[in-house]
Amino acid sequence: DADVTQTPRNRITKTGKRIMLECSQTKGHDRMYWYRQDPGLGLRLIYYSFDVKDINKGEISDGYSVSRQAQAKFSLSLESAIPNQTALYFCATSERVNNEQFFGPGTRLTVL
Amino acid sequence: AQSVTQLGSHVSVSEGALVLLRCNYSSSVPPYLFWYVQYPNQGLQLLLKYTSAATLVKGINGFEAEFKKSETSFHLTKPSAHMSDAAEYFCAVSDETGGYNKLIFGAGTRLAVHP
Repeated sequence: DADVTQTPRNRITKTGKRIMLECSQTKGHDRMYWYRQDPGLGLRLIYYSFDVKDINKGEISDGYSVSRQAQAKFSLSLESAIPNQTALYFCATSERVNNEQFFGPGTRLTVL
Repeated sequence: AQSVTQLGSHVSVSEGALVLLRCNYSSSVPPYLFWYVQYPNQGLQLLLKYTSAATLVKGINGFEAEFKKSETSFHLTKPSAHMSDAAEYFCAVSDETGGYNKLIFGAGTRLAVHP
């Protein structure tokens, strides 16, 4: 079984809709991250959480919100989706030391 | 804050040829450095990491990278490319701005391997 899972894997939605992307992990890590990937831009950090009560904005948090429901679960929401939020979204986890991150398989989101 | 520059968004090599993917970071303090690989329709997988031990780091699938502080570089190499190496490669550097340890990624280099 995968250590970091993301649901859904693919989603097509319309402008203005609210969307939630979910991430679960079985690695027992405290730290979780949400990134978006766009061609030519690499991965950009949206939000990160170092424990259930510690949530921080990343480089591109506007238009997004998150919820850390438990150590193992970290959800990303788009309150009112817009077309330029069309991207590949990745969840990742890490331990407290070393900073090596472990990635989920990604969610491909298309906003029409 | 840290930044990472990957020279060349696309690199093409022949099967069996040397692979060289370039990465430069901005830091006066040696950071943790990482190379990740992304195969089509998959997430990122760690290739190798530098954590201030040996400057030559060996990773999976025959890849290695050398940390050069004087050049602020961490280039990825493989002596002989295989068709299965075709993927996108990301260099990343640790960043502790604001007291939180995060990763900053480069824009990526897409490697094509042709027969």
